[in-house]
Amino acid sequence: EDQVTQSPEALRLQEGESSSLNCSYTVSGLRGLFWYRQDPGKGPEFLFTLYSAGEEKEKERLKATLTKKESFLHITAPKPEDSATYLCAFPNSNSGYALNFGKGTSLLVTP
Amino acid sequence: NAGVTQTPKFRILKIGQSMTLQCTQDMNHNYMYWYRQDPGMGLKLIYYSVGAGITDKGEVPNGYNVSRSTTEDFPLRLELAAPSQTSVYFCASSTGAGNTIYFGEGSWLTVV
Repeated sequence: EDQVTQSPEALRLQEGESSSLNCSYTVSGLRGLFWYRQDPGKGPEFLFTLYSAGEEKEKERLKATLTKKESFLHITAPKPEDSATYLCAFPNSNSGYALNFGKGTSLLVTP
Repeated sequence: NAGVTQTPKFRILKIGQSMTLQCTQDMNHNYMYWYRQDPGMGLKLIYYSVGAGITDKGEVPNGYNVSRSTTEDFPLRLELAAPSQTSVYFCASSTGAGNTIYFGEGSWLTVV
């Protein structure tokens, strides 16, 4: 069964303390690996899509990378406003390529 | 640009009641989706539509119905509400299969 697994479930960082979130995947014929950010009480907000191993994309303090088995979301020198739940997802061929989401990593950045 | 708009934001239902969650998008997207999100369980696909007049079941369709009479609107109907349907519901849309999905702000539903 195609799926993504995210780790850790929760992560607490001090402001400025860099770290990485992991999304491991087992997907046949991957048609993109998506990253979203979700703030409490809000809908998920699109961050990145990666399509091939070795690809990297950056936005402010976030950089997403992709290998043949995993994707990482690297957070450099995080700020409290980076606190959110980060979700990874893949298009599921069994449901019209709707995105199938992982359970997310809840990130808390303290001052 | 409003994007994806859901109503109501909050609703409390009694067991056995019915209701419709409304969803409209102004991006002229062909594809629309309904997800539910429960604590610790992630987002689960309920139904999706690839265009007006076409709908299909997702992972957790039981207890729900949808219709897609226009490109803009994709209402979700709950029949005979049950406590298990207490959840946060998200409507979303995209330009096509496997493309970026854009979400609404969510509808919080409690069944008591």
